[in-house]
Order: sequence, then structure tokens, then C-alpha cells
Amino acid sequence: SQTIHQWPATLVQPVGSPLSLECTVEGTSNPNLYWYRQAAGRGLQLLFYSVGIGQISSEVPQNLSASRPQDRQFILSSKKLLLSDSGFYLCAWNPPGGEQYFGPGTRLTVT
Amino acid sequence: GENVEQHPSTLSVQEGDSAVIKCTYSDSASNYFPWYKQELGKGPQLIIDIRSNVGEKKDQRIAVTLNKTAKHFSLHITETQPEDSAVYFCAASFSSGSARQLTFGSGTQLTVLP
Repeated sequence: SQTIHQWPATLVQPVGSPLSLECTVEGTSNPNLYWYRQAAGRGLQLLFYSVGIGQISSEVPQNLSASRPQDRQFILSSKKLLLSDSGFYLCAWNPPGGEQYFGPGTRLTVT
Repeated sequence: GENVEQHPSTLSVQEGDSAVIKCTYSDSASNYFPWYKQELGKGPQLIIDIRSNVGEKKDQRIAVTLNKTAKHFSLHITETQPEDSAVYFCAASFSSGSARQLTFGSGTQLTVLP
């Protein structure tokens, strides 16, 4: 069966520090991968998606970037965090044309 | 782009009663409509979905209906239990087999009172 992992589970970072969140999927190949942000417990906003290694599409221009160095690995990064980057970050995956499944999420607090 | 509106934002029901959550979408090209349940501090869990070639789908106590003409779809939960308490999200997307870009509603906080 397929599983999706995210780490860390929680993170507290000062303003201006860098960020790296990691997502990996097991038990499948060539998944579509997604990064979402959820603020205040509601409203999932799609940030990035990827249909293959090195292929990244951005939905919202912002202080974040994404990379997909391996087939089942998706990374969300920032060079300098802003207070507004605080939120719950969710990684998701689906096989092409299939249902989308979410990971457990990373709670990021920027202080 | 697609816009999804969800109502109500909060819903309280007595245990054993039914709960209905409604969503409307704007893009007539959307053809896939999932529903997710999110418990506090966890990632959303897919509970049921429907495609545009089907008007209704049922899975035990959960059912979803779709009206393509009116561009709205609804989640029905019967015989509610306290463990049904969570935030529920609807979503819509068009998928041609590649990336499935879901547009989510704003969520409904369902509370089932014992």
C-alpha cells in the first residue's frame, strides 16, 4: 500500500531563517505531488505541484519554492521566512488521474 | 479559474440526526468532486468522491449528490456519531489524466452533540 510522509511534524523558526520541508511517498511510482498551505485551520491553498522529476508548477507567487529531486520526493523551501509564512503545510499525491491523498502535515510557526 | 463555495461554515447536529453540507462550483469543465474530513492537527482524509458522469454515490452512512446543471454538489451524513465531528471540505477539479488541481471550499465545522 502507499504511504506519504512529511517531516518535521512541527517547526518553529525565526523570521529571516531558511526553510526546508520534506515529503516522500512510498509504494508507488511517478506520482503527481502537491504542496498546500492551510491557514487558521481552514482553506487549503495550492502552492506547487509536480508531474515529474524536476517539473514544478507554481500556483501562487510568494516567498517559497519547491523542488523534486527524486521521483517520490518533494521539497518545499524558503531562503528567508516571513511571519506570514506561518501555517500548516500539507503534501499530497495522486496517481495520474486518480484520487488525491494528503500527508500528516507540518505545523510551521515563524516567530 | 474555478471557485468553490461551501455552506454552512459551522453545523451542529444531535447524535443520530443527519447532516448536509452544500457546495457550488463555477467552472462547468470541472468533472471530479471529492470530499475530505479533517480532524484537528491532521491532514485531510478522502471520504468519498464523485465524477461528473454519476449523479449520486453512497458509501454506508455517507452519500454525495451532484447536479451538473445547477453546478452544485452535497454531502449527506446519516445517523451521525460523535466521531463524525471534524472539518469537512469539498473540492472540484478538472483532470485530463495529468495533475489534479483541486480547488477547495472554505470548510464546514461539523459538531455532533451526544
